[in-house]
Amino acid sequence: KAGVTQTPRYLIKTRGQQVTLSCSPISGHRSVSWYQQTPGQGLQFLFEYFSETQRNKGNFPGRFSGRQFSNSRSEMNVSTLELGDSALYLCASSLDSHDTDTQYFGPGTRLTVL
Amino acid sequence: QKEVEQNSGPLSVPEGAIASLNCTYSDRGSQSFFWYRQYSGKSPELIMFIYSNGDKEDGRFTAQLNKASQYVSLLIRDSQPSDSATYLCAVNLPTSGTYKYIFGTGTRLKVLA
Repeated sequence: KAGVTQTPRYLIKTRGQQVTLSCSPISGHRSVSWYQQTPGQGLQFLFEYFSETQRNKGNFPGRFSGRQFSNSRSEMNVSTLELGDSALYLCASSLDSHDTDTQYFGPGTRLTVL
Repeated sequence: QKEVEQNSGPLSVPEGAIASLNCTYSDRGSQSFFWYRQYSGKSPELIMFIYSNGDKEDGRFTAQLNKASQYVSLLIRDSQPSDSATYLCAVNLPTSGTYKYIFGTGTRLKVLA
């Protein structure tokens, strides 16, 4: 079974631009979560989507948004990029969002904002 | 108080020794606990999960859970240099009718050859 895939793997943008990242979950997984990872803050939860609905949201500004499609693929968008948005963005999928469901991570998209 | 706390390390152990990684959590509603390993520049990969009090073994790895003390640990027996990585503890917290993963900041392990 194929794992979680993320595209693109690397991105370089300048301040003020916007970016869209894509995530394809493991086949059959309906929950997709997004995280931001930086050396100082660790893994920070952005949001979780299930059946095209956002179920959970972390403490990030409205510049960070996402969506999920009917095939469970998900995208996240960051508008008006800031230098501090430079990070590894990770997507994780799970069957659902029950307490015992395990999340599996994609390889990540490394975003650099200049 | 952070929801999930780990000592950032680095924890250095000699090759062949037992590495002990610890994690505490604040929410008694937490039911499920996960350990991930993350190599530098890579994404986290699941090592194991534990739901019940006690020990759970998988190869060289043993997870230990004590819900009364709100403590979960990971033991790595016969540590190898290839085990050198950051180990992330995660708990699955009930929230708004569903669940949300909360990660600790990770413990960096160095296994010295």
